[in-house]
This record gives sequence, structure tokens and C-alpha cells, in this order.
Amino acid sequence: NAGVMQNPRHLVRRRGQEARLRCSPVKGHSHVYWYRQLPEEGLKFMVYLQKENIIDESGMPKERFSAEFPKEGPSILRIQQVVRGDSAAYFCASSPRPGGLKGEGPYFGPGTRLTVL
Amino acid sequence: QQQVKQSPQSLIVQKGGISIINCAYENTAFDYFPWYQQFPGKGPALLIAIRPDVSEKKEGRFTISFNKSAKQFSLHIMDSQPGDSATYFCAASISGANSKLTFGKGITLSVRP
Repeated sequence: NAGVMQNPRHLVRRRGQEARLRCSPVKGHSHVYWYRQLPEEGLKFMVYLQKENIIDESGMPKERFSAEFPKEGPSILRIQQVVRGDSAAYFCASSPRPGGLKGEGPYFGPGTRLTVL
Repeated sequence: QQQVKQSPQSLIVQKGGISIINCAYENTAFDYFPWYQQFPGKGPALLIAIRPDVSEKKEGRFTISFNKSAKQFSLHIMDSQPGDSATYFCAASISGANSKLTFGKGITLSVRP
């Protein structure tokens, strides 16, 4: 009974490189959320996806960031031309449907910690 | 503008004591209020959640108290244990097609043996 899986757990990139973060939701969950956590801060919503659709990307920077959740395979958060300010922990969460009581999540993965040198 | 505010910023409690963490929200459209527990290097784990139609929910040692008129809710941890030492986040969302969570900044709880 696997929970939300994210990889890699740690990612180091130099300024200007691309970062690609992967998220496999709980089996059967079709709703995926990405959040970013800066040091000593709470989690900030970035984007909400259902299979093959972006539902809400209001928290995602307009440039350099993109997300997808294809019909087959994991959800991907892509950051192009990374800058030092992108260094953070990125968490993926999934739920079987939007809106939740306990038992419906959303349930978070372990996160990917991105460090930009 | 911070829509969900937590207090205190940090908390130290003796083993066996009661830990109380408060949260205040501004958006009256919020109708789902979960608490998450996060250990260092881990992802947030859903602890307990409540909706505004009840004033209190209890699960084991954890209780949420909800005050709709004051737009506040709190987490009570009874018989606090050193293993409860973690960061606790309150959050809120609006049910429906989106349900994205708005988080508080978190509070670090230390339970002394």
C-alpha cells in the first residue's frame, strides 16, 4: 500500500540548469497538488492537476515553471533555468477527489529538496 | 495578507502535559480545516481534520476545537509525548472543484521528557 512517492529526494542543480521533479500519487488517486516550502515557512500552493489537465496554476510562477500529469506515468514539475531562489522543498500531494474529510487526504509525499548552487 | 495565522510560534511542553496550538483564519468561505504533522526531512502527515458543522472532533490524544464565530480552531494534544515533537501546520480550504490548501506558517512543538 504505497503512499505518494517522489523522486529524487534530493536534487542539486547549478544556476541555469533544469530541474525535473517527479510524483507518483497514491494508486487510484487522480488529483495531484504541488506545494513549495521555503525554510522556516509554511507550504505554498503551486498547482493542481487532474489526469491530463491543469485545473489551477494560480500559485505557480508564470515563467520557468511548468507541470503536467499525463494519462500514463507520474506527475512532473519542471523548473527551467533555475535560480538560487528556487531552492526549497517541493511536495506533491494526492487525493481521490477534491475536498476532503480525513480519509480522503490530501496525502503528501516525502518531498524533493532542491538546492541551486 | 496571511489568510491563516498560527500561534504561538513555538511551544515547549513537559511530557504528559497538554499541547495547545491555535489557528485563526480570515476567509469565511473556508469549510475544511486539517492539521498536519511534519518531522524534519519528511513530508507533512495528515493528523486530523474538521468541518464547520461540528465544534469538536477527537481522535485518540488529538482533539480539534472549532469556533466558527471567532474564525478560530485549535489542536489539543493530550498526554504529550517526546515523540510528538514536530512541526504542526494548520490549513484551510474551500470544498469543491479545487480544494487547494492554505497553510499557516507552522509551529515547532518540543515535548521535554
